[in-house]
Amino acid sequence: QITLKESGPTLVKPTQTLTLTCTFSGFSLSTIGVGVGWIRQPPGKALEWLALISWDDNKRYNPSLRTRLSLTKDTSKNQVVLTVTNMDPVDTATYFCAHIVIAAPVRYAMDVWGQGTTVTVSS
Amino acid sequence: EIVLTQSPGTLSLSPGERATLSCRASQTVSSSYLAWYQQKPGQAPRLLIFGASSRATGIPDRFSGSGSGTDFTLTISRLEPEDFAVYYCQHYGNSPDMYTFGQGTKLEIK
Repeated sequence: QITLKESGPTLVKPTQTLTLTCTFSGFSLSTIGVGVGWIRQPPGKALEWLALISWDDNKRYNPSLRTRLSLTKDTSKNQVVLTVTNMDPVDTATYFCAHIVIAAPVRYAMDVWGQGTTVTVSS
Repeated sequence: EIVLTQSPGTLSLSPGERATLSCRASQTVSSSYLAWYQQKPGQAPRLLIFGASSRATGIPDRFSGSGSGTDFTLTISRLEPEDFAVYYCQHYGNSPDMYTFGQGTKLEIK
């Protein structure tokens, strides 16, 4: 059974850097065809994809946020860490991580999600 | 960059009725990379459909997906009370490599 859980601060100040950790079980990020993605959702708004890291350490970022995002993985700990620099109140959102099956036939669909963690940006 | 436009924004129906949700892409996309998700209040999204028409594990057969090119549809054949939620379409593409989500359709009880 695949599970993921996000953790990190609930409150950050403007201009600070946000560090979120996705801890997962039931799969290995060293398995070919597997990835972990990050998605966020501002209150009452739609989902926005942030970043994806795959088993081969290939990283892809939302072009509109690319300069502020960074992803790392620790395969031994089953963790993926997302860093977002220069946080702003508009970054207030629930942040989700998700298991992604890159290989066919699922082809990049996010088939299991974490429960999400809410981050508020305020001074 | 691809834009996904979902319609209607809100759909009001009664249990037992048929729901048809639309997702239109701003340019032709590969159906292999088109997915649909359901999200209930306070919950994470749940994958319903991948590859435009394949149901994910455990998804009831009243949910079906179809379409190609720029027009995709999620159909719920006979609404159950638990189906009232927000639905998102999603596409993964290259040039640039990125995901795009639609803005969502809220399916509410009439």
